[in-house]
Amino acid sequence: DAGITQSPRHKVTETGTPVTLRCHQTENHRYMYWYRQDPGHGLRLIHYSYGVKDTDKGEVSDGYSVSRSKTEDFLLTLESATSSQTSVYFCAISEFKDPNTIYFGEGSWLTVV
Amino acid sequence: QKEVEQDPGPLSVPEGAIVSLNCTYSNSAFQYFMWYRQYSRKGPELLMYTYSSGNKEDGRFTAQVDKSSKYISLFIRDSQPSDSATYLCAMSSGSRLTFGEGTQLTVNP
Repeated sequence: DAGITQSPRHKVTETGTPVTLRCHQTENHRYMYWYRQDPGHGLRLIHYSYGVKDTDKGEVSDGYSVSRSKTEDFLLTLESATSSQTSVYFCAISEFKDPNTIYFGEGSWLTVV
Repeated sequence: QKEVEQDPGPLSVPEGAIVSLNCTYSNSAFQYFMWYRQYSRKGPELLMYTYSSGNKEDGRFTAQVDKSSKYISLFIRDSQPSDSATYLCAMSSGSRLTFGEGTQLTVNP
């Protein structure tokens, strides 16, 4: 298994509260990604990082921010959680900017009530 | 319209059957084609990767790409209950991956 740890694995939070999901990798890979997975939509890219302090938006970035202060850690923050952000969130890593070498974490289940 | 279309199923087959999973796409710039397997409450794992049109075989799995028809397939021979999972197709024109919705497969003993 790729050395990716997501925390928390499960969280229930109230609408309007901030939430931070953490992704920690032990592979020293340059690229890190946050995806969300929803029925009817599949996996969609939220944000990604191509190095420390280097991040960019994906296709569904509204309402989310990210930070990467260390190679091994990539944080996803929901500034003010909404019910539409109830989802499963997956962190992924890649050594190269190469689509066939992307590895996913185990997922974080977030419910916003 | 979605760039990648995949029938979500569910698909249920008896053990030993040949399974055919398919995706169609609209973006002719896609060059890389992948299949991921996702067990329940787990992250997706890369199963197969192809670059060009044609077939690629790995054990009981065969990935097929037809760029002229914008159609990719994954065949599973001698399917086993352990193959029960959701199968996601994915494609890329460079670094951005676009995923299909996934097909839920159940192989019954």
